[in-house]
Parts: sequence; C-alpha cells; structure tokens
Amino acid sequence: QKEVEQNSGPLSVPEGAIASLNCTYSDRVSQSFFWYRQYSGKSPELIMSIYSNGDKEDGRFTAQLNKASQYVSLLIRDSQPSDSATYLCAVCTGANNLFFGTGTRLTVIP
Amino acid sequence: EAGVTQFPSHSVIEKGQTVTLRCDPISGHDNLYWYRRVMGKEIKFLLHFVKESKQDESGMPNNRFLAERTGGTYSTLKVQPAELEDSGVYFCASSQEYYNRIQETQYFGPGTRLLVL
Repeated sequence: QKEVEQNSGPLSVPEGAIASLNCTYSDRVSQSFFWYRQYSGKSPELIMSIYSNGDKEDGRFTAQLNKASQYVSLLIRDSQPSDSATYLCAVCTGANNLFFGTGTRLTVIP
Repeated sequence: EAGVTQFPSHSVIEKGQTVTLRCDPISGHDNLYWYRRVMGKEIKFLLHFVKESKQDESGMPNNRFLAERTGGTYSTLKVQPAELEDSGVYFCASSQEYYNRIQETQYFGPGTRLLVL
C-alpha cells in the first residue's frame, strides 16, 4: 500500500474557479503535512504546511487536515493560469524524511 | 539568499559508468536530504545528513550509491557503476534545525536529471 495517495489528474478548472486537490496517507503517526507546487523542470516549492486538524488559510490557498480520516486537502480559490502546475502532497512521520504522493497535475483554463 | 543548488542539471551516461551529483544547501542549513524520482513514480527519500553525519540512509537503494558531506557543507552523491534503473531526477533539499522538529521546512533544489543508457 502506498504511503501517500493522490489523484494524478489532470485536473482542469476554469480561471476564477476553486481547485480542490486531495491526498490520503496511510501512516497514523504522521505529524506534519505539506503541499508543494512544482512547475515543469523546476524545484518543488513549498506553498502550505499544516500540523493540526482543521483549516489553515494563506491568501488564496487553504489547507485542510483531518487526522481521523487520514486526509489532507488543498483548495485554491480564484484559480489563475499561473497556478497550472503539479501539486505534491508530502507527509512527515517525525523522522524528518518526507513521503510524497505522485502529484496532481492542475491546469487552469483561461 | 541563494536557494539550494545542484550540479549538473542533466547527465547522460552509459551503463557501467560513474556519475557524481553535487548539492549545495542553503547557507546555514545543517540538514541535507537526497531524494529521487524515477519516471511515473513518487519522489522517494534516499538519505539525510545532519552536518557531516549520516542521520538516516534507509532509502539508499544499494551499495552502488555513496553519499558524502565532508565538512558539513555541500554534498555529493556518487553512483558507481550506474545501471539503467538509476535513471531519474535526483533532488536535494535542506532545512534548518528548528525547535519543533515536525515543523522543519525542507527547501528543494531543481534536481539533476540522470539518464543511464
């Protein structure tokens, strides 16, 4: 069983819509959760981190964590074409190394 | 502040050859990580340095891979001899020591794309 699962997509949304990206993880001792954005050929770039159950908002981005359901999501409001990228969900169990999902490719259509 | 840098950006070698990848972490970051992504798969952890010491090398695939971080600054990852299945993108990441370990943020480099023919 994979540690971290994401739908590979592609996920297409029109400009201005809300993009919803989902991630589930298998290890119940996971303690910290990250969303990275990766443009083609570039570094994964951290956009959100979340450690406690509930919602965390930063600008147009909201991360949601539900540890009981082992589920973490990322909402992007007012999606822009520049948000088109692959979004990687990563989970840390406390041993410092990250476990990644395969990523969801998001396309925002102008 | 300069980010994590990696060299080379691309490398094409033949099976059986040796390749050395280099990573320069963000200045002052004691933690340095190597990860690898093979085609179609997720990014996977290889190993973790704290300064010059190997903290965790549980992800290293086999003894053809050797990582070093002499002096606790830059790190090298050598593959010798390279095999076809070693092809992929090798990422380096670094982080600062943080009072709350679970909140450490890892910053990634652009990766080295390795193709073994």
